[in-house]
Amino acid sequence: KAGVTQTPRYLIKTRGQQVTLSCSPISGHRSVSWYQQTPGQGLQFLFEYFSETQRNKGNFPGRFSGRQFSNSRSEMNVSTLELGDSALYLCASSLATGTGVYEQYFGPGTRLTVT
Amino acid sequence: QKEVEQDPGPLSVPEGAIVSLNCTYSNSAFQYFMWYRQYSRKGPELLMYTYSSGNKEDGRFTAQVDKSSKYISLFIRDSQPSDSATYLCAMSSQGGSEKLVFGKGTKLTVNP
Repeated sequence: KAGVTQTPRYLIKTRGQQVTLSCSPISGHRSVSWYQQTPGQGLQFLFEYFSETQRNKGNFPGRFSGRQFSNSRSEMNVSTLELGDSALYLCASSLATGTGVYEQYFGPGTRLTVT
Repeated sequence: QKEVEQDPGPLSVPEGAIVSLNCTYSNSAFQYFMWYRQYSRKGPELLMYTYSSGNKEDGRFTAQVDKSSKYISLFIRDSQPSDSATYLCAMSSQGGSEKLVFGKGTKLTVNP
């Protein structure tokens, strides 16, 4: 079974630009979550999508947005990039079809560097 | 006060040692407790999860949750060099893919 894939793996952008990151979940998984990982703050939850609807949102500014397509693939967008947005962006997918604990499978991440 | 506190280490132990990793938390609504392992340049992978208080064992790994003290632990017995990684605790007030709150991670090195 193929794992979670994220593209691109590495990205360098300039302040003020915008960026779009892509995530393909494991086949059959309908939930996709996005996290930001930095040395200073660790892993922080950005948002979660389930069946094309944002179901949960973390405490990030509106410059961070996302969407999910009918095939469960997800994209996140960061507009007006700031130096502090440099981080590893991780995507995780899970079945999440009911209550209980569903394992989140993480992708390898996209390393974004803002200069 | 951060919701989840975890000593970042680094922690260095000899092969075969028992390793103890810990997290404390402040939000009493947390019910699901997880430990993830993250190798360098990889995404985290789930090691163990526990619902509410109690112990759970899986091979060389044991997870403990003490909700009264808001304290969780992961023990690794007979540690191996392949266990060298960053260990992250994570918590959620609801199951499934609800928002996970992570500790900052403890970097562990097991020396042969």
